[in-house]
Amino acid sequence: NAGVTQTPKFQVLKTGQSMTLQCAQDMNHEYMSWYRQDPGMGLRLIHYSVGAGITDQGEVPNGYNVSRSTTEDFPLRLLSAAPSQTSVYFCASSYQLAGILTGELFFGEGSRLTVL
Amino acid sequence: QKEVEQDPGPLSVPEGAIVSLNCTYSNSAFQYFMWYRQYSRKGPELLMYTYSSGNKEDGRFTAQVDKSSKYISLFIRDSQPSDSATYLCAMSPYGGATNKLIFGTGTLLAVQP
Repeated sequence: NAGVTQTPKFQVLKTGQSMTLQCAQDMNHEYMSWYRQDPGMGLRLIHYSVGAGITDQGEVPNGYNVSRSTTEDFPLRLLSAAPSQTSVYFCASSYQLAGILTGELFFGEGSRLTVL
Repeated sequence: QKEVEQDPGPLSVPEGAIVSLNCTYSNSAFQYFMWYRQYSRKGPELLMYTYSSGNKEDGRFTAQVDKSSKYISLFIRDSQPSDSATYLCAMSPYGGATNKLIFGTGTLLAVQP
C-alpha cells in the first residue's frame, strides 16, 4: 500500500525558475493538502482541497498554485521560485467518517527544495 | 504570539525514563488535539487523537488535555530508543468541514540506550 507519494524527493532551483511538486494518494481520500516545514516555524498549511475541482488557500499561499483534477493527484506549482521558498514540503491526505473529515492526516515523505 | 507554543528541546533521556511533552495554546475554540511523531527525514504520523478535555491512553502513551489551562501533554512511559523522534502537537477548532490543523514547532526527543 503506497499511501501518499511525493516526487521529487530533492530539488535545487535557481531564483525565478518554476517547477511542480507532485503528490499522489491511493487511499481514495477526498481531502488533500500541502504543508511546508521550516525550522522554528513548524508545519504551515499552503493550500488544501476537499475534493476534485475544489481548492482553497491556507496560511501561506503566496507564490504557490494548486489544482485538483482527480481525487488521486494534487500537484503544487511554484510559479517563480524565491530563496524564501527553500523548505521541506509535505503533502497530506485525509478521509471522512460518516461524512465528517477526521483530524488524521496521512503524510508523504516530503520534498526537499532549495532555491539558490 | 503564536497560537500554539511548544518547547523545541532537544530533550535527551535515558532508556526507560518517563517523558513529558507539552504544548500550550491561546485559541479557546480548539476542540480537537493530536500528537504526531516524525522520524528524521520522514513525514509526520498520527500518534494520539483526543477530543475536548480528558485523558487517553494507548500502550505506553498517554495524552492529556486541560482546556481550562489551554495545556496539552503527551507522556511516554518506559521510553525506548525507537521513540527518538520529533513530536508535534496539533489542534483544530473544526474536526468537521476542514482539516486545517495548527501545528506546534515540535520537540526533538532522544532516548539514549
